[in-house]
Amino acid sequence: NAGVTQTPKFQVLKTGQSMTLQCAQDMNHEYMSWYRQDPGMGLRLIHYSVGAGITDQGEVPNGYNVSRSTTEDFPLRLLSAAPSQTSVYFCASRVTGGSGYTFGSGTRLTVV
Amino acid sequence: QQQVKQSPQSLIVQKGGISIINCAYENTAFDYFPWYQQFPGKGPALLIAIRPDVSEKKEGRFTISFNKSAKQFSLHIMDSQPGDSATYFCAGETSGSRLTFGEGTQLTVNP
Repeated sequence: NAGVTQTPKFQVLKTGQSMTLQCAQDMNHEYMSWYRQDPGMGLRLIHYSVGAGITDQGEVPNGYNVSRSTTEDFPLRLLSAAPSQTSVYFCASRVTGGSGYTFGSGTRLTVV
Repeated sequence: QQQVKQSPQSLIVQKGGISIINCAYENTAFDYFPWYQQFPGKGPALLIAIRPDVSEKKEGRFTISFNKSAKQFSLHIMDSQPGDSATYFCAGETSGSRLTFGEGTQLTVNP
């Protein structure tokens, strides 16, 4: 099992560009989430999904879109990148009724 | 608003000492309280967790103490080791799987 795989690991965008952060898990987990990590603020929930076809907003959803067409994949789309979206992004998953999320290794995004 | 407040922001402990990190929460819908450990360049990893129907959980050198009436919980690391040096996050989770993290504590254990 590869666990939770995030690509790319690093990305530099110009303001206004769009991109998709990829997240895939091979553990057949129903729950998947996206977080951003900023110094001194912990991890903040962007969007989450409790199963294929079901998504919902977290604490900081503005500027981001998600979709969940399969159990395995949960891509995060930045519509028009802004410097405020410079952050480290983590994808996580867990099984229904399970304990604890499994996190990917993160994508470090810089918007200039 | 930050629904989980964590302190201290940073902590330095000597090898063999006890590390204590405290968290307070506001949301009474939380029904699961995990602690995550994160090393530089890595994603967080589940360390230990507790449900609010128990007051303490111990796994090896790691213990969670939980006070439901005060809405507080803490992580104790006994016999702290240099390998424990990492950032620790407390969190609260609702039954709908929304996980809310504290701000994090950077622990340094000096040899």
